[in-house]
Amino acid sequence: GIQVEQSPPDLILQEGANSTLRCNFSDSVNNLQWFHQNPWGQLINLFYIPSGTKQNGRLSATTVATERYSLLYISSSQTTDSGVYFCAVGQGAQKLVFGQGTRLTINP
Amino acid sequence: DAMVIQNPRYQVTQFGKPVTLSCSQTLNHNVMYWYQQKSSQAPKLLFHYYDKDFNNEADTPDNFQSRRPNTSFCFLDIRSPGLGDAAMYLCATSRDSRASVGFQTQYFGPGTRLLVL
Repeated sequence: GIQVEQSPPDLILQEGANSTLRCNFSDSVNNLQWFHQNPWGQLINLFYIPSGTKQNGRLSATTVATERYSLLYISSSQTTDSGVYFCAVGQGAQKLVFGQGTRLTINP
Repeated sequence: DAMVIQNPRYQVTQFGKPVTLSCSQTLNHNVMYWYQQKSSQAPKLLFHYYDKDFNNEADTPDNFQSRRPNTSFCFLDIRSPGLGDAAMYLCATSRDSRASVGFQTQYFGPGTRLLVL
């Protein structure tokens, strides 16, 4: 099956810093989503981005489907950005395969 | 607001005692999913319903079953919970996973954290 690798596994930053999270996948996909898992465990949908670039406030994402990677950018980090960020990909219908996540800690 | 609702948020059960977790949605989506997430791991798909069509993942234990009585509700039944079944259980929906771009986006509920004593 498809493999999803996220890097870095852990990232510790000071408030106000910028960060880039990477997601590599091993095969072509027609679904790619970025999620933020908050401290209570809920997965918050950030982007649906199987290709192209999107922006939402301080967050933006780019997927280069031909090179099988996606990047999530967080600018001017806030402590509320802390948590685990997951990339998940899908081929065909239904199934999402998750990467192992990047744990982001933003210190005040 | 349209959403995915899971009850209860925390569930404690005894080893071997059957337990049912609930999920409801007000999004009127065709597809409902159940994921299992163990501590410090990624979510893993257990099964999903496309309308009434049930799709089980090959490695989902027989101990786990699901019911979808109508569009809005989906249940996860664990027949004989073991200590290894303690996890967060996440329900998700998508509008139509077989359709075109955007309809495959999955939306997650807050999860039910299961503790097995």
